Amino acid sequence: GENVEQHPSTLSVQEGDSAVIKCTYSDSASNYFPWYKQELGKRPQLIIDIRSNVGEKKDQRIAVTLNKTAKHFSLHITETQPEDSAVYFCAASILGGNEKLTFGTGTRLTIIP
Amino acid sequence: GAVVSQHPSRVICKSGTSVKIECRSLDFQATTMFWYRQFPKQSLMLMATSNEGSKATYEQGVEKDKFLINHASLTLSTLTVTSAHPEDSSFYICSARGLAATDTQYFGPGTRLTVL
Repeated sequence: GENVEQHPSTLSVQEGDSAVIKCTYSDSASNYFPWYKQELGKRPQLIIDIRSNVGEKKDQRIAVTLNKTAKHFSLHITETQPEDSAVYFCAASILGGNEKLTFGTGTRLTIIP
Repeated sequence: GAVVSQHPSRVICKSGTSVKIECRSLDFQATTMFWYRQFPKQSLMLMATSNEGSKATYEQGVEKDKFLINHASLTLSTLTVTSAHPEDSSFYICSARGLAATDTQYFGPGTRLTVL
């Protein structure tokens, strides 16, 4: 089955700086890669996703890049703000297949004011 | 966006009792719902995939007789934790996918289960 690894497990960034979180996946059949933000005790919120037919996607301060050959994808947050502090999870799945989301282990991002 | 609800949001029960958690898609039909469990400071682990009108598919290591799943309609799936024990205490989250295979999954708000 799919295995998703995520690094780093914790990340502290000065407000205004950029944050990068990286994930690798094992199953070359995976074609959908969402990123979720989870605040304590709350549901995961989808913040951005990318499908395997594109290499990069951007939404305001958030961007995701995908390297299918290397089987890794990354989340980039620019101009970080205190409200970006949360736990971020990457995931991988096969749309049109079993569609199960396999999650990474999570990154606790702390923005230092 | 699509809305998924869960009920109850929090439940405390005694060891040995059963607890039912409901997951509803409020504004869309979901042929497939997923049940996850999340222990403190850990990731979401898929327990089972629930398909409307058929038996759920359980992940390896998840006891199907302990975690009963019923997906009786296109908007409702239920998870029953039978004979709950303290080690079953966790955050249970469902997600629902729309009718199209390419639809995104939307998560419910989660249910915090505490077994005394």
